[in-house]
Amino acid sequence: EAQVTQNPRYLITVTGKKLTVTCSQNMNHEYMSWYRQDPGLGLRQIYYSMNVEVTDKGDVPEGYKVSRKEKRNFPLILESPSPNQTSLYFCASSHLSGLAVPRDTQYFGPGTRLTVL
Amino acid sequence: AQSVTQLGSHVSVSEGALVLLRCNYSSSVPPYLFWYVQYPNQGLQLLLKYTSAATLVKGINGFEAEFKKSETSFHLTKPSAHMSDAAEYFCAVSDPRKAAGNKLTFGGGTRVLVKP
Repeated sequence: EAQVTQNPRYLITVTGKKLTVTCSQNMNHEYMSWYRQDPGLGLRQIYYSMNVEVTDKGDVPEGYKVSRKEKRNFPLILESPSPNQTSLYFCASSHLSGLAVPRDTQYFGPGTRLTVL
Repeated sequence: AQSVTQLGSHVSVSEGALVLLRCNYSSSVPPYLFWYVQYPNQGLQLLLKYTSAATLVKGINGFEAEFKKSETSFHLTKPSAHMSDAAEYFCAVSDPRKAAGNKLTFGGGTRVLVKP
């Protein structure tokens, strides 16, 4: 089954304690992205990756890091979490243009609800 | 820069009534437009998308949307609401320029409540 998986689904942590949220897709997608969802603001892009070892900032990258060492995985790293990073996080993936699946059909993971105390 | 405005953060409809969710966008280039649905405790699921083909786009679960360039709108409709349509709906715009990748800019979302 084609899917995007995220772990953990729920996480409560304290300020300053480093954490990693994993994201994995089994569709051989080139493009992967992280979004955060906050009430009334919709989803905002944190970071994205066009392929292995190619990453770039989205609209709200402060306080986050990412890496793309393998095509299927795109972990989100919070080196020193703060309460304003309490949010619902989504990973998404898609093919880029020129390939079999029309680009811009992004597939989303189930979300990770993070609470930073 | 692109932006999306969804009018109404909450919409209440009766079962069997028309569902109308409004979305207006701002984009300096011809956009791709999307509607996603989020059911409780789930990720986002694509309802439909407009990518410069037919302006009336049909999606899953009986939803459709019409792209109106002159009004910069992409409103979502369904003729008859079902209880299962209760969810949050997001309108999004994508920058089709290659350098932007597949970035989506989302509206704030509209939560739909369906009354029996």
